[in-house]
Amino acid sequence: QLQLRESGPGLVRPSETLSLTCTVSGGSITNTTHYWGWIRQTPGKGLEWIGSLYIGGNTYYSPSLKSRVSLSVDTSKNQFSLRLSSVTAADTAVFYCAGDYLGLGNHDYWGLGTLVTVSS
Amino acid sequence: QSVLTQPPSASGTPGQRVTISCSGSRSNIGTNSVSWYQQLPGAAPKLLIQSDNERPSGVPDRFSGSKSGTSASLAISGLQSEDEADYYCATWDDSLDSHVVFGGGTKLTVL
Repeated sequence: QLQLRESGPGLVRPSETLSLTCTVSGGSITNTTHYWGWIRQTPGKGLEWIGSLYIGGNTYYSPSLKSRVSLSVDTSKNQFSLRLSSVTAADTAVFYCAGDYLGLGNHDYWGLGTLVTVSS
Repeated sequence: QSVLTQPPSASGTPGQRVTISCSGSRSNIGTNSVSWYQQLPGAAPKLLIQSDNERPSGVPDRFSGSKSGTSASLAISGLQSEDEADYYCATWDDSLDSHVVFGGGTKLTVL
């Protein structure tokens, strides 16, 4: 059973870059069954998909965030990461990392989520 | 404004059957499979239905999914108080760059 855990700063200043890491345990991130991605939820609102990647394959980004988002992976640490640049207060959200089975949009593994607040 | 349209709220009494709709278009639901998520207060979403109508292991058979054309539905039969939660549909969208889209969510209240 895979477990995912997000980590990173809980407070980011406006115009700076938000960086989060997801550590996968209970299995290898290089398994061929999952895409790895990020989803956020602004307080009291719905879910917004940010992007996902398949190790050794393609990376996909939300069209609305594409210009500011970058996903990467560190297989030696069994981790994947999110960078979101030029943040504003509108980027304040709970960020979840998730595993998408076969890249079909079936997110069967989720982290607990981490709240990132953008404020000076 | 979400690409997938869900009713903001739904309600039912214990034992009832309720359905939640998810309306999209040819580029998303019309082409790709739909998943459904349950989010209890303060918790991460949980996959409830995958690939239109499949229940992951451990999900009660009270939950079922269906799809027709550019719309999908989640049905909950034998409604229980613990089903009170937010429910989201999701799928890939092939317009422009391929990306995943979520519905705006439906808050289910068990009366």
